[in-house]
Amino acid sequence: AQSVTQLGSHVSVSEGALVLLRCNYSSSVPPYLFWYVQYPNQGLQLLLKYTSAATLVKGINGFEAEFKKSETSFHLTKPSAHMSDAAEYFCAVSAHSGYSTLTFGKGTMLLVSP
Amino acid sequence: EAGVTQSPTHLIKTRGQQATLRCSPISGHTSVYWYQQALGLGLQFLLWYDEGEERNRGNFPPRFSGRQFPNYSSELNVNALELEDSALYLCASSLPGDSSGANVLTFGAGSRLTVL
Repeated sequence: AQSVTQLGSHVSVSEGALVLLRCNYSSSVPPYLFWYVQYPNQGLQLLLKYTSAATLVKGINGFEAEFKKSETSFHLTKPSAHMSDAAEYFCAVSAHSGYSTLTFGKGTMLLVSP
Repeated sequence: EAGVTQSPTHLIKTRGQQATLRCSPISGHTSVYWYQQALGLGLQFLLWYDEGEERNRGNFPPRFSGRQFPNYSSELNVNALELEDSALYLCASSLPGDSSGANVLTFGAGSRLTVL
């Protein structure tokens, strides 16, 4: 069964600083990987997804993530944080077949200070 | 285009009662998923319905059940409520298609269930 681990339940950055949110996956075969964002009192919104095409995936709002098979990682980055990026970010994984469902990490709350 | 809509937004019940939550998917989406987001536990997969059939079920007791209607809307029923059932219940929908796992889920804002 696949799983994801998000390192750090909270990450604090200053506005304009680099954002790095860590995600490591566990899967017997290369999975599909996703990053979702949840703003307060809202549902989850897809940021980006990896489906075995390019290893560097660009998403919305300036975010990108790189799939590294050797490290079983799919870290999310953004060069310059904005106050509006403050939210909870979830990494998720699904297998390639068998009516697989999304398995989410426990989430990382991103705090952005002025 | 209307997004995934869930009702009610908030629901307060007491232990032992039953709760029913409803979800309307995006037009054209035939798959509906239910997740539980409890404090400190992240998102836990509950149920997946596609074309009226239950495709997958998470590790939850049988008192969590649901169904999907011919118009693809869905309801989640929780019987014999327990205090630990207090959580945000998120519904998501996706386009029809394969079972490859690459489907993108679009989430609703959730229904917050409080059990007293």
